[in-house]
Amino acid sequence: QKEVEQNSGPLSVPEGAIASLNCTYSDRGSQSFFWYRQYSGKSPELIMSIYSNGDKEDGRFTAQLNKASQYVSLLIRDSQPSDSATYLCAVNMKAGNTPLVFGKGTRLSVIA
Amino acid sequence: DTAVSQTPKYLVTQMGNDKSIKCEQNLGHDTMYWYKQDSKKFLKIMFSYNNKELIINETVPNRFSPKSPDKAHLNLHINSLELGDSAVYFCASSQDARDQYFGPGTRLTVL
Repeated sequence: QKEVEQNSGPLSVPEGAIASLNCTYSDRGSQSFFWYRQYSGKSPELIMSIYSNGDKEDGRFTAQLNKASQYVSLLIRDSQPSDSATYLCAVNMKAGNTPLVFGKGTRLSVIA
Repeated sequence: DTAVSQTPKYLVTQMGNDKSIKCEQNLGHDTMYWYKQDSKKFLKIMFSYNNKELIINETVPNRFSPKSPDKAHLNLHINSLELGDSAVYFCASSQDARDQYFGPGTRLTVL
């Protein structure tokens, strides 16, 4: 069974702090990794994708990938109340246009 | 412009009925997907459709049938609806195994 694991939370951080969201995956051959943000009642919105080991930064967001440890994380700097949402980790476990395997999501609450 | 659109947004129906959900993407992507998000918010793939090749998820009952008239459209038809089919159904599309973009979702309620 190919799985993606996330802590369901809620993860509460004060406004301005760094939020750290973590994800592990079971398939060592996984190719690409994504973070989606989903507000309540809305569709998942792609915020970061990462394909190789290391860090990738985009504005206040940094994705980190460690394939040896089968671990991917998302850091949100200067967290804002508007960042409060569920963050879904998704993994493409094969090359090509294959469906994503999603984790169950981590609920983030940024407290003003 | 809406990249991935779905209709209807809400669908309320009785058990045993047959219903369809439509999806269209204007991104020029060659692959489209249907995902189901249950009451616990777990998002799970149902089907993907790439250049006329349908990949069926074996856990999906055969009451569910996707139909793709062309590369920009992927519809989902559901026969003999059951209470357990109540969920939010998301369509998505992608190109070249890169980023997948989701539609706004269809909330299906079976009474």
